[in-house]
Amino acid sequence: EVQLVESGGGLVQPGRSLRLSCAASGFNFGDYPMSWVRQVPGKGLEWVGFIRSKTHGGTTEYAASVKGRFTISRDDSKSIAYLQMNSLTTDDTAVYYCARDRTIFGVIIGYMVVWGKGTTVIVS
Amino acid sequence: IQLTQSPSSLSASVGDRVTITCRASQGINSYLAWYQQKPGKAPQLLIYAASTLQSGVPSRFSGSGSGTDFTLTISSLQPEDFATYYCQQLNSYPLTFGGGTKVEIK
Repeated sequence: EVQLVESGGGLVQPGRSLRLSCAASGFNFGDYPMSWVRQVPGKGLEWVGFIRSKTHGGTTEYAASVKGRFTISRDDSKSIAYLQMNSLTTDDTAVYYCARDRTIFGVIIGYMVVWGKGTTVIVS
Repeated sequence: IQLTQSPSSLSASVGDRVTITCRASQGINSYLAWYQQKPGKAPQLLIYAASTLQSGVPSRFSGSGSGTDFTLTISSLQPEDFATYYCQQLNSYPLTFGGGTKVEIK
């Protein structure tokens, strides 16, 4: 079964850091771009960023709201994607989802077809 | 790129034809996706490349448009379709989502 499981959320004080993990199973993790999307409860979706597969350079893209504070990385040997969040503010409070792209082809990234259930981050 | 969805909410009955629009602040070719999200659940990809139905998605869902104007149509609303729908553009970074359209039971 194709599955993504996020972990690492919790309550953190403003200015502190937190690292989220996204454990993948059921597919060849290293072939796929991986994204992070967040959602303030009761509000809309906000794209956070993604990391390309190593085949396509393993490079990253970020939303302006998190650029310079958040870092996405991946460990293909463990099938885990990470979201390192630094200098957290109350505006970062949200449910954080990781998601897998529809295809392994890295031309257009962001059609997210497999999603985790999310992990909640509260900055207070 | 900003995406404006309309309406922000609508009430409809089972069997109704429902249309949701998504307008981009600049041209995005056909790099648009539609997602469905139910309360407490992660989003589900319905449509990609503006009009291609994702595998496993019922054929009552369809998408159209290119450039700046896009539509998601549900041809005959079913009870399980009551949810919030989001469009997303993939033409340029940062990727962005529309504000969402909540489809409620009339």
